Amino acid sequence: ELKVEQNPLFLSMQEGKNYTIYCNYSTTSDRLYWYRQDPGKSLESLFVLLSNGAVKQEGRLMASLDTKARLSTLHITAAVHDLSATYFCAVDSSNQFYFGTGTSLTVIP
Amino acid sequence: NAGVMQNPRHLVRRRGQEARLRCSPMKGHSHVYWYRQLPEEGLKFMVYLQKENIIDESGMPKERFSAEFPKEGPSILRIQQVVRGDSAAYFCASSRGTGGFGYTFGSGTRLTVV
Repeated sequence: ELKVEQNPLFLSMQEGKNYTIYCNYSTTSDRLYWYRQDPGKSLESLFVLLSNGAVKQEGRLMASLDTKARLSTLHITAAVHDLSATYFCAVDSSNQFYFGTGTSLTVIP
Repeated sequence: NAGVMQNPRHLVRRRGQEARLRCSPMKGHSHVYWYRQLPEEGLKFMVYLQKENIIDESGMPKERFSAEFPKEGPSILRIQQVVRGDSAAYFCASSRGTGGFGYTFGSGTRLTVV
């Protein structure tokens, strides 16, 4: 069964600091997705990474994909409180998405 | 374009009752997917449907759960004789085609079984 693992599961960081969330997956896939979920809300699409070496940036978030290592990273630069949420990575295979367990991020003032 | 519409947003059922969750895909989307999210977990695939057809139901529990996507009207996820363990958030997503492109999630239905 395809596995998607994220770490850390919980992350508490101070405002202004940098940190990276890691996503490993167990199958060959050229597409990797990052989503954000606020408590009680649906999933908001952040990034779609479509090829090896892909890098995308939006504001303080930057995502990258290494398909050979089966690894994606979500880097947070100079965190602010508004980034507090749960972040999921996902890969798609055989008509379905496989989601990681999520990283719950809390940014502390 | 109203996006993927799910209703109800919240649903409370007593053990043994039936739950019906509805999902109207985005305009122009003919592929519908249902996912379940247990507390503090990621989403788990349940079923993938196209109009009038179930394409992949490998994630559906074998008993009590069924899904349909009729020619007219929304997709329905039906849970019969609910139990406490069915309490979860159920998300629907739709797309125009396969492959993950244009995959849009609805706001979810939060089912609580008391």
